[in-house]
Amino acid sequence: KQEVTQIPAALSVPEGENLVLNCSFTDSAIYNLQWFRQDPGKGLTSLLLIQSSQREQTSGRLNASLDKSSGRSTLYIAASQPGDSATYLCAVTPSYNTDKLIFGTGTRLQVFP
Amino acid sequence: DAMVIQNPRYQVTQFGKPVTLSCSQTLNHNVMYWYQQKSSQAPKLLFHYYDKDFNNEADTPDNFQSRRPNTSFCFLDIRSPGLGDAAMYLCATSPQGGFDQNFGPGTRLLVL
Repeated sequence: KQEVTQIPAALSVPEGENLVLNCSFTDSAIYNLQWFRQDPGKGLTSLLLIQSSQREQTSGRLNASLDKSSGRSTLYIAASQPGDSATYLCAVTPSYNTDKLIFGTGTRLQVFP
Repeated sequence: DAMVIQNPRYQVTQFGKPVTLSCSQTLNHNVMYWYQQKSSQAPKLLFHYYDKDFNNEADTPDNFQSRRPNTSFCFLDIRSPGLGDAAMYLCATSPQGGFDQNFGPGTRLLVL
């Protein structure tokens, strides 16, 4: 059974810091991995999608990497801003013919001025 | 703007009193999902519709049911809410299923 874990559960950093969020999954046979952002009381917004054949994806100040063989992904946020404060969740798609996303519990990030 | 809408955003119900949560979409997507997200936990898929075909997750309690009367609307019915059902309920849609899912803002349910 696929399990997704995110460390740390919470993180508080000063504005301007570069930071790394971690995601690990127990079964390396995944189709892809996504990073989502969730603002308090809001739904989920997809930030980056990495296909199983890819090593990384970049969007602006965000860079996500994937090491499928070791069951790990990282989300790197450069020059953090207070507006980055949110919960970040990673989710894996187990196979190409499934409708299921398996989520981690998230990392709650606070960036203070 | 095409979107996923959930009503109400906050719902308070009494223990054992049936409650219905609503989701609508203007995206004309075939697939609609319901997730339950308890405090500080991962969203958990309850069930989904592929068009009119209903797919229930094996561990979804019998207390939870769903209806999809047409492409645009999907409802989550909780027949006899317990205190443990207090959570954020997220609706999502997808054009043809899979990982490409668009999420609504969620309905936060409180059970007294």
